[in-house]
Amino acid sequence: QKEVEQNSGPLSVPEGAIASLNCTYSDRGSQSFFWYRQYSGKSPELIMSIYSNGDKEDGRFTAQLNKASQYVSLLIRDSQPSDSATYLCAVNVNYGQNFVFGPGTRLSVLP
Amino acid sequence: DADVTQTPRNRITKTGKRIMLECSQTKGHDRMYWYRQDPGLGLRLIYYSFDVKDINKGEISDGYSVSRQAQAKFSLSLESAIPNQTALYFCATSAVSGANVLTFGAGSRLTVL
Repeated sequence: QKEVEQNSGPLSVPEGAIASLNCTYSDRGSQSFFWYRQYSGKSPELIMSIYSNGDKEDGRFTAQLNKASQYVSLLIRDSQPSDSATYLCAVNVNYGQNFVFGPGTRLSVLP
Repeated sequence: DADVTQTPRNRITKTGKRIMLECSQTKGHDRMYWYRQDPGLGLRLIYYSFDVKDINKGEISDGYSVSRQAQAKFSLSLESAIPNQTALYFCATSAVSGANVLTFGAGSRLTVL
């Protein structure tokens, strides 16, 4: 069973702080990794994808990938109350055919 | 209009009833998926299809069936609904090539009494 694990949270950070979300995966063959944001009762929306080891930055978001450690993380700088949501880590498995999701980490940014 | 449309958005039904959730997309994607979401369990794959003639079981296919009527349409059926199928159901699509990311519909909330 290919698995993706995340801390369920809730993770609480003050407004303006850096939020750090972590994800580990079991399938060493995985090549593509994604972070989705999901507001309560809404559908997941893609915020970052990463395919190579290292960091990838997009605005306030930075994704970090370490394939040797089977670890992917998401940093949110200058956190805003509007960032309060559940963040889902997803991994491509089966040679890119399917996506396996972690249980999600609930983030709360306190004003 | 949404790229991925799910109907109905909300449905309350009784144990033993047959239910169909429908999904249509205008993205031109070949790959379509049905996921189920339960609190604390993330998204779990029910069925997926890579084209009209290709249907595959996912992690939790028992109690469900699907039909790929056209490239743009993928329906999920519960032949005899039971209360533990109460969940939020998402349809998603992805392209074969390129970024290969999932695009989700708005979700269908199903309650089985």
